[in-house]
Amino acid sequence: AQRVTQPEKLLSVFKGAPVELKCNYSYSGSPELFWYVQYSRQRLQLLLRHISRESIKGFTADLNKGETSFHLKKPFAQEEDSAMYYCALKTTSGTYKYIFGTGTRLKVLA
Amino acid sequence: EADIYQTPRYLVIGTGKKITLECSQTMGHDKMYWYQQDPGMELHLIHYSYGVNSTEKGDLSSESTVSRIRTEHFPLTLESARPSHTSQYLCASSGTTGGYEQYFGPGTRLTVT
Repeated sequence: AQRVTQPEKLLSVFKGAPVELKCNYSYSGSPELFWYVQYSRQRLQLLLRHISRESIKGFTADLNKGETSFHLKKPFAQEEDSAMYYCALKTTSGTYKYIFGTGTRLKVLA
Repeated sequence: EADIYQTPRYLVIGTGKKITLECSQTMGHDKMYWYQQDPGMELHLIHYSYGVNSTEKGDLSSESTVSRIRTEHFPLTLESARPSHTSQYLCASSGTTGGYEQYFGPGTRLTVT
């Protein structure tokens, strides 16, 4: 079954602390994975995609095919990072459907 | 500017009314999607389209219908609104080049009284 799991509904960290938002997936093919972010009162937007291997706003995510994970990390959290984060998988077997996780709310405390 | 638009942004309507939520994109994308999302909760795919005259139901059963007569336009219609339809509806689009990511509209918050 195709599935994206984000085990934490809420993650609270203090400013300056490291952050790791967990994402595990279940997919039989080679997945394309994304992290989306939704700040308060803003639309859902792409944060980063695994194929780009980029760092955006200090966040990175590495695809680990062995562990079927795509965890989002940032070494030093900032208050402006507080938002809802969604991990998503795009199917690659002839369709263009996106499967979203249930989301993790990140709260960065001052 | 290339973007994805949704109207109305907010709608309060009585039970039994017919409503259409509009979604248009100027991104040049062929694929479009409708999601239902309660605030801060997961997204549920309710409809998608790979191009003109192509529509499919998503993973979440929905009483709504969609049409795709023009590439840039993907409206969602509820023939008879019910309080259970109260939610936020997000429209998205994606292309077949580049990073394949989805671009989302601002959403329509629907309240059925």
